[in-house]
Amino acid sequence: SQTIHQWPATLVQPVGSPLSLECTVEGTSNPNLYWYRQAAGRGLQLLFYSVGIGQISSEVPQNLSASRPQDRQFILSSKKLLLSDSGFYLCAWSSNGPLEAFFGQGTRLTVV
Amino acid sequence: QKEVEQNSGPLSVPEGAIASLNCTYSDRVSQSFFWYRQYSGKSPELIMSIYSNGDKEDGRFTAQLNKASQYVSLLIRDSQPSDSATYLCTEGGGTYKYIFGTGTRLKVLA
Repeated sequence: SQTIHQWPATLVQPVGSPLSLECTVEGTSNPNLYWYRQAAGRGLQLLFYSVGIGQISSEVPQNLSASRPQDRQFILSSKKLLLSDSGFYLCAWSSNGPLEAFFGQGTRLTVV
Repeated sequence: QKEVEQNSGPLSVPEGAIASLNCTYSDRVSQSFFWYRQYSGKSPELIMSIYSNGDKEDGRFTAQLNKASQYVSLLIRDSQPSDSATYLCTEGGGTYKYIFGTGTRLKVLA
């Protein structure tokens, strides 16, 4: 069966510090991968998605970036965090086609 | 730009009642729809998928899809306090993107 791992679960970082969040999927090949952010009390905002190694589509201009160095690995990065980057970051995967997506456990990021 | 709209609630129902959650979408070519449940502080969990017009039942949950009206709903029968959560609707995957509604917060009162 397929599983998705996301870490760390919680993170407190100072303003201006770098960020690296990692997500890996097991049990499937060539998944579509997604990064979402959820601000407190708000909906899910799609940040990036990838349909293959090295292919990244950005949905919202910001100081975040994403990379997919391996088929089942998706990384969210920032060189300098802002207070507004605080939120609940969720990684998700899906197979090709109009099929359901599955989420990781999420990372709660607080920028102080 | 695809849009998915939901009433943010909260929707309060007494224990044992039917909770009805609704979602409208803008993309006429959408093929599939999904309902997720999200408990506070947790990640969304898939609870229902529906691909064709009509009703799909799974236990206490029934999803209803009307493509002509661009409307999808989720009914929860015999609502329990443990059903209290935010319910997210999305269509998708056809263009690789899952656009979610803002979610409806459901409160089941004991």
